[in-house]
Amino acid sequence: GQQLNQSPQSMFIQEGEDVSMNCTSSSIFNTWLWYKQDPGEGPVLLIALYKAGELTSNGRLTAQFGITRKDSFLNISASIPSDVGIYFCAGQLGTSGTYKYIFGTGTRLKVLA
Amino acid sequence: GAVVSQHPSWVICKSGTSVKIECRSLDFQATTMFWYRQFPKQSLMLMATSNEGSKATYEQGVEKDKFLINHASLTLSTLTVTSAHPEDSSFYICSAKGLHSYNEQFFGPGTRLTVL
Repeated sequence: GQQLNQSPQSMFIQEGEDVSMNCTSSSIFNTWLWYKQDPGEGPVLLIALYKAGELTSNGRLTAQFGITRKDSFLNISASIPSDVGIYFCAGQLGTSGTYKYIFGTGTRLKVLA
Repeated sequence: GAVVSQHPSWVICKSGTSVKIECRSLDFQATTMFWYRQFPKQSLMLMATSNEGSKATYEQGVEKDKFLINHASLTLSTLTVTSAHPEDSSFYICSAKGLHSYNEQFFGPGTRLTVL
């Protein structure tokens, strides 16, 4: 199946450090979504982006919808141990009635206290 | 708001049996539900998209006769894995998109299927 390229694949950081991850695609997306998944659970929505160039924050998280509509990044500032988990980007294809979401390959984040 | 439940949360079955997984939107009406499969340490792979009252649209490579999807109401979709085999063992996750949730989809907690 189709997937988005997400990097880095994994990262170990010290508590308090900032984190940055990105997602790229050869396709244009109408919406970019960022999710966090804890082991054995479903993904939880962190941030949704709807317009090219849009920059949105949610607490310590900031995400941007690339102006080419083919990429997005997520930043986490001042990381804490509970930030550990897998972060997925997702892009939405299609129009009303034919929506489809394609997920990135994931970034596994580990925070060292 | 926007809570999605799945049942069961885990199931173990013998090879050759069929397993039904339910996905419910608890506090909103879901016009579209999605079914994903996730293997260990991998991403979510979309299996199919279902709109209430119509046939599901399956992704390339997903056998529609093996993975039966029914979206009978605006709050319930079911996935039935027919004649399950060990290679069908995986984490199955549903998500739902409501009338008023613009482009966002909300995920259920997942169902872990183990086929012996």
